[in-house]
Amino acid sequence: DAEITQSPRHKITETGRQVTLACHQTWNHNNMFWYRQDLGHGLRLIHYSYGVHDTNKGEVSDGYSVSRSNTEDLPLTLESAASSQTSVYFCASSDPGTRNEQYFGPGTRLTVT
Amino acid sequence: AQKITQTQPGMFVQEKEAVTLDCTYDTSDQSYGLFWYKQPSSGEMIFLIYQGSYDEQNATEGRYSLNFQKARKSANLVISASQLGDSAMYFCAMREGGEGGAQKLVFGQGTRLTINP
Repeated sequence: DAEITQSPRHKITETGRQVTLACHQTWNHNNMFWYRQDLGHGLRLIHYSYGVHDTNKGEVSDGYSVSRSNTEDLPLTLESAASSQTSVYFCASSDPGTRNEQYFGPGTRLTVT
Repeated sequence: AQKITQTQPGMFVQEKEAVTLDCTYDTSDQSYGLFWYKQPSSGEMIFLIYQGSYDEQNATEGRYSLNFQKARKSANLVISASQLGDSAMYFCAMREGGEGGAQKLVFGQGTRLTINP
């Protein structure tokens, strides 16, 4: 069955370190998204991609970057982790079809100490 | 400006009762889509139901229905005959633009629903 996976599921890192969160989908979806979830804010869009070599900034992109070298993967990099980036990160993908519903990965809980 | 507003941070309902979760939205687009997702305590995001802005009938999926009132810009989720397993966080989300266009979703802050036995 097609799926979307994230790794690691839990990560503790120190302030200032570079961190990369992986997202891999086997739906063959063109669209991929990264969100962060914080109490009181719901899900907020960090970056998104509509295809290979396409990347776009979302609502809360400062301090994050993505690259899309193939259809399946959209890694999220925190260039220099900050305590404010402690959050749960969700990756999602969708197909540009009729509903565009997004399929979510299981999430990565990141703690920056 | 908040594009999706969920005014109920928490709701408590007796098992087997119907429950309505409120969602209002703000957009100037004529074509858009509205989604509801469920997030149980395990953390995953589960798609529940979708309503397109041009859909003439309210969407239904099993025990879930979406009460779509376009003029009032509301898209309330109705869960009939609630079950203990319905206890979760529920998010309303909107896609601005038509199907096949921009795919971004904007999410509300969520409503935590607790079903009491």
